[in-house]
Amino acid sequence: GDSVTQMEGPVTLSEEAFLTINCTYTATGYPSLFWYVQYPGEGLQLLLKATKADDKGSNKGFEATYRKETTSFHLEKGSVQVSDSAVYFCALSEGGGYNKLIFGAGTRLAVHP
Amino acid sequence: NAGVTQTPKFRILKIGQSMTLQCTQDMNHNYMYWYRQDPGMGLKLIYYSVGAGITDKGEVPNGYNVSRSTTEDFPLRLELAAPSQTSVYFCASRPTSGGSTDTQYFGPGTRLTVL
Repeated sequence: GDSVTQMEGPVTLSEEAFLTINCTYTATGYPSLFWYVQYPGEGLQLLLKATKADDKGSNKGFEATYRKETTSFHLEKGSVQVSDSAVYFCALSEGGGYNKLIFGAGTRLAVHP
Repeated sequence: NAGVTQTPKFRILKIGQSMTLQCTQDMNHNYMYWYRQDPGMGLKLIYYSVGAGITDKGEVPNGYNVSRSTTEDFPLRLELAAPSQTSVYFCASRPTSGGSTDTQYFGPGTRLTVL
């Protein structure tokens, strides 16, 4: 079945460092791809999404490009802040009307001043 | 607009006890979902609903039941709690019209411990 694989964490960075969190997927069709973020003690929030190949999702300085040829959707940010410390989840939507999401295991990011 | 709300925030149960996790959304979304999040794991779908009166199983439904009598509410019931059900439970909803029909909106979660 469909699946999502993320790089293991935790990822620890200094403020203003460059961030990459890798995400690859396996899907039989053409899924939509998402990055959700979970701040401490909160539920998940949509960070960005891309619905077709070569689309780039972006929000709050984060970007990810839907790469069909490498089945990847890596998350990047040029300069992280302490406030970006959170758990980041890559997910895909199976498509169809029910839009069930399949999540990766999550990557914890800790940013230090 | 409160979004998706869940109660309680925390709960400790003894083995064999039962409880209901409450979920309410005020966005008039037809689709609602229940997920569990185990430590170090992604979220797994327990049950979902496409509208009042209609529910279906997800990936890990065993030990749980749901009902959907109104658009707003989607409670999750644990009948005989087991330690394997220790987890954080998230409820989510999704619109079926407008520009974000592929986006799920999540509640803050319920942390459940079964001892």
